[in-house]
Amino acid sequence: GAVVSQHPSRVICKSGTSVKIECRSLDFQATTMFWYRQFPKQSLMLMATSNEGSKATYEQGVEKDKFLINHASLTLSTLTVTSAHPEDSSFYICSARDWVAGSNTQYFGPGTRLTVL
Amino acid sequence: GDSVTQMEGPVTLSEEAFLTINCTYTATGYPSLFWYVQYPGEGLQLLLKATKADDKGSNKGFEATYRKETTSFHLEKGSVQVSDSAVYFCALSDLQTGANNLFFGTGTRLTVIP
Repeated sequence: GAVVSQHPSRVICKSGTSVKIECRSLDFQATTMFWYRQFPKQSLMLMATSNEGSKATYEQGVEKDKFLINHASLTLSTLTVTSAHPEDSSFYICSARDWVAGSNTQYFGPGTRLTVL
Repeated sequence: GDSVTQMEGPVTLSEEAFLTINCTYTATGYPSLFWYVQYPGEGLQLLLKATKADDKGSNKGFEATYRKETTSFHLEKGSVQVSDSAVYFCALSDLQTGANNLFFGTGTRLTVIP
C-alpha cells in the first residue's frame, strides 16, 4: 500500500527557534498533502492543504506566517513552525492523497511530536 | 455542512468479545467513508473504506457497511484481541462539496484486556 514518511519523528527545541518537518510520499505522487495537528486524546485538526506548485490553503484560525508550508515536488511537502513557543508543542501529522478511480483515500505519516521548551 | 458523529469512548472489552463502534455522518453529497486506527504514539493507518452505498469495507477482521438509509458506517469485529487496543477514527470525504479534506469523528479509544 501507499506509504508516507515524516521526518523527524520527534523534536525538542528552544522557544524562538524554527523547526522544519518533512512529509514524503514514498511510492506514489501526491498533488495534494494535508497537515494536521493533534492535541492529547483529541481528534485531528486540519491546519492546511498543500498543493504542489501553488500556495497552501490554510484553515480558519491557523496563522500562515507562523506555519509555513512548501510543496515543491509531487512527493515532498514541508511544514516549518517559525519562532516556536511552548503552546506550539503538539503532534503534527501529514497525509497525502492518492487518487484512485472512485475514491479519495488519504494515507498518513507516522507523525512528528514537537516539544518546545 | 459535513460532519461525523462517533460513539464516545473509552470502550473496554475482554479478549474475544464482539466490538461495535457506532459512526453516523451528515453530508451534502455522496461521501466516501473511512475508518482509521491510531496505535499509541503513532500516526493514523487506514483500516478500511467504502466509496458508495451498500459497500462493505473489511480488513484484519474488521468490517463496516456504508448504509445510506441510516447514514451510518458502524465498525464491527467479531472477536477482538489485545493487539486491537488503539484509537479508532471514523472519517468522511465529500468531493461534491469541493472540500479536499477528511472530516473526522472525535475518536473512540478501545482497550482490550486479556
